[in-house]
Amino acid sequence: DVKVTQSSRYLVKRTGEKVFLECVQDMDHENMFWYRQDPGLGLRLIYFSYDVKMKEKGDIPEGYSVSREKKERFSLILESASTNQTSMYLCASSLYVAGQETQYFGPGTRLLVL
Amino acid sequence: GDSVTQMEGPVTLSEEAFLTINCTYTATGYPSLFWYVQYPGEGLQLLLKATKADDKGSNKGFEATYRKETTSFHLEKGSVQVSDSAVYFCALLLFRGSARQLTFGSGTQLTVLP
Repeated sequence: DVKVTQSSRYLVKRTGEKVFLECVQDMDHENMFWYRQDPGLGLRLIYFSYDVKMKEKGDIPEGYSVSREKKERFSLILESASTNQTSMYLCASSLYVAGQETQYFGPGTRLLVL
Repeated sequence: GDSVTQMEGPVTLSEEAFLTINCTYTATGYPSLFWYVQYPGEGLQLLLKATKADDKGSNKGFEATYRKETTSFHLEKGSVQVSDSAVYFCALLLFRGSARQLTFGSGTQLTVLP
């Protein structure tokens, strides 16, 4: 089974703090993704990565950056946390083979910014 | 742009009732379609998928058929259980050059009463 783990289930930070959210997958997947989930808005893509050291912006990258130094690890960074970044953050990984791709999700990190 | 529209919730059913959650999509290409389920306090789990027109995805008693003519992918289950209470997300995956993006609906909360 694919396993995607996230470093924290719950996190409380103060406005202006730098926040790191870590995601690790154990299936040697090339692709990794960060989403945020907010009530009534579904999931929105923040950033994704198709290879080590490679990143691309999703739909809502403002206020976020990412790092992918190793294939299995994809980090989301909030350079200066703000209250509107209070949300549930979900990491996913996937393998693209023969024109088909399925994304597998971690358990999520619920972040509260005070 | 590409989008997914799900029936609004919450949906409340009695155990053993028939379930339908409607999902329609707008896309310029030929997307793969997915249903994900999120149980309370957890991340998203893939429930089923379909990659081309007339494909039927099925899992755990749930089914959905990819209807290109009506651009729909409605989720159905003949007899729901209390353990099916969760949030259900419809999603589409489109390929744009070398990039692939998963677009989610806003989710439908299902509560099944004993």
